[in-house]
Amino acid sequence: GQQVMQIPQYQHVQEGEDFTTYCNSSTTLSNIQWYKQRPGGHPVFLIQLVKSGEVKKQKRLTFQFGEAKKNSSLHITATQTTDVGTYFCAADFGNEKLTFGTGTRLTIIP
Amino acid sequence: DGGITQSPKYLFRKEGQNVTLSCEQNLNHDAMYWYRQDPGQGLRLIYYSQIVNDFQKGDIAEGYSVSREKKESFPLTVTSAQKNPTAFYLCASSTTVETGGYTFGSGTRLTVV
Repeated sequence: GQQVMQIPQYQHVQEGEDFTTYCNSSTTLSNIQWYKQRPGGHPVFLIQLVKSGEVKKQKRLTFQFGEAKKNSSLHITATQTTDVGTYFCAADFGNEKLTFGTGTRLTIIP
Repeated sequence: DGGITQSPKYLFRKEGQNVTLSCEQNLNHDAMYWYRQDPGQGLRLIYYSQIVNDFQKGDIAEGYSVSREKKESFPLTVTSAQKNPTAFYLCASSTTVETGGYTFGSGTRLTVV
């Protein structure tokens, strides 16, 4: 089946350091979405990227969609304790459903 | 406020028993989905429905069943045929008119003993 690979699986950073998670697909995507799940919570939609090479920003978060629409990244600048959680990418292959990556679990060392 | 309600939050069942998880939304979304989440893994799709009275199997449908008799409701039954039912179950919904993010419920944590 269609899969999306997400790395790294875990990331521990000092508060104030940057953080990046990556998603890769072998197949061109219709769009890609990003979600955040706080510990003990449920996934919350962050953003959707549709266009080739698209870059979107939400405060300290920067989302990119690759030129070939096969990869994407989420970068957080100057992490804060509120950024703790698991970040998932979710790929839309154009088949009426999303395929989620395995997630990157971010922990912050104060 | 609009949203998705999953109940119960925690559920305990004996092995061999069927159990039904509730999912109700008042967002007027056409599409609804059931995902399973295990520790250290992503979300895996069990079943999804784009319209009332129609649904499709996801990647791990074996041992599960669903119904979609109303737009607002998409209950999931975990049957005794599901070999490893203990997991966190998440229901989600979305529009089909335009692409956009999923809205998730708060989940049901099922433990089978």
